Amino acid sequence: AQSVSQHNHHVILSEAASLELGCNYSYGGTVNLFWYVQYPGQHLQLLLKYFSGDPLVKGIKGFEAEFIKSKFSFNLRKPSVQWSDTAEYFCAAQSGGSYIPTFGRGTSLIVHP
Amino acid sequence: DAGITQSPRHKVTETGTPVTLRCHQTENHRYMYWYRQDPGHGLRLIHYSYGVKDTDKGEVSDGYSVSRSKTEDFLLTLESATSSQTSVYFCAISESVPNTGELFFGEGSRLTVL
Repeated sequence: AQSVSQHNHHVILSEAASLELGCNYSYGGTVNLFWYVQYPGQHLQLLLKYFSGDPLVKGIKGFEAEFIKSKFSFNLRKPSVQWSDTAEYFCAAQSGGSYIPTFGRGTSLIVHP
Repeated sequence: DAGITQSPRHKVTETGTPVTLRCHQTENHRYMYWYRQDPGHGLRLIHYSYGVKDTDKGEVSDGYSVSRSKTEDFLLTLESATSSQTSVYFCAISESVPNTGELFFGEGSRLTVL
């Protein structure tokens, strides 16, 4: 069965620090990849997605992610975080032909002003 | 935002009582999902539906049943609620064509079982 691993469960940063959250998936075939964000008390929203093409994907609010096929990774990055980026971040993967995405356990990010 | 409404948004109930959560969508999407979110576990799939009256189990389906009699409604029922089912429940929807895997989530329903 496909699995998604997020290695950082809790991350605490100061404003303006750089961010990188790790995500690895297990499926070896065609895969669609996603990062979702959940702000405190809210529902999950799509941050960015990768289907094919340029492995460097840009999302909303200055976030980007890089798909590295050889490493089965889809890490999320932001060069300079803000206090408003405090949230939970979920990586998800969907293998080709499936309608069921698999989610990682999430990473809680706290940004101190 | 996608047109997804969950009800009730908050519910407190007692052990052993039945509970039904409703998810209503206005997007006419084929796929609907119920997830539960718990600290340390992330999102876990309970059940999903790929069409009217077509449903299947997810990884944590024990103690839950679902029904989908109309495209727009997906009901999650706890026949006899237990304290371990205290959680936040999210409904999600996705398109089948194209099949991108992108989910749109509802606002969540917070259930407390005493």
